[in-house]
Amino acid sequence: GAVVSQHPSWVICKSGTSVKIECRSLDFQATTMFWYRQFPKQSLMLMATSNEGSKATYEQGVEKDKFLINHASLTLSTLTVTSAHPEDSSFYICSASRPNNEQFFGPGTRLTVL
Amino acid sequence: AQTVTQSQPEMSVQEAETVTLSCTYDTSESDYYLFWYKQPPSRQMILVIRQEAYKQQNATENRFSVNFQKAAKSFSLKISDSQLGDAAMYFCAYRRMDNYGQNFVFGPGTRLSVLP
Repeated sequence: GAVVSQHPSWVICKSGTSVKIECRSLDFQATTMFWYRQFPKQSLMLMATSNEGSKATYEQGVEKDKFLINHASLTLSTLTVTSAHPEDSSFYICSASRPNNEQFFGPGTRLTVL
Repeated sequence: AQTVTQSQPEMSVQEAETVTLSCTYDTSESDYYLFWYKQPPSRQMILVIRQEAYKQQNATENRFSVNFQKAAKSFSLKISDSQLGDAAMYFCAYRRMDNYGQNFVFGPGTRLSVLP
């Protein structure tokens, strides 16, 4: 299957700082990327859908000013958690969609906000 | 909106035995995809099996098979000859087939333990 990477895999930051997480499709062009959030022992919840060159579509209850998503190219989407707080600590997973609708998940990024 | 339910938060199975994980879903669509994903401790989501709703034949991948009952909106996963490496969280997921809303809708998950 295709490869999707995320960087960093684990990040610890201080409360009030911003953190950027990258999601890359390594061997295909992703028309759409999705960002999910997973709290411990819970399922994945969709945060936003990101299409290359256009604004992301956020799910209800997700603050778009806090979780900035940029999809600048067909192989890269970034999620920036601005002014992070301890309640933002979570596991963030991206998935990337090929034009034929196949989707592949990244390995996830664990964010810990102190 | 679509919803996915997994009624078994935890299951256990003896090594080499067979176990079935349950999943039900709700949708008004006639064509869609259903998936089972495995999430081991590494947290990487691994595709186990996929089913297109328009196909009546149940999907099979080696030791993994599904029982897809479209009218009942049921999609159970059977793992045969269970192995220690099968221990993980298993998520049932729904996805639309058209070009709108291609995101996954996940169930709450079932934690599977495999006993030696």
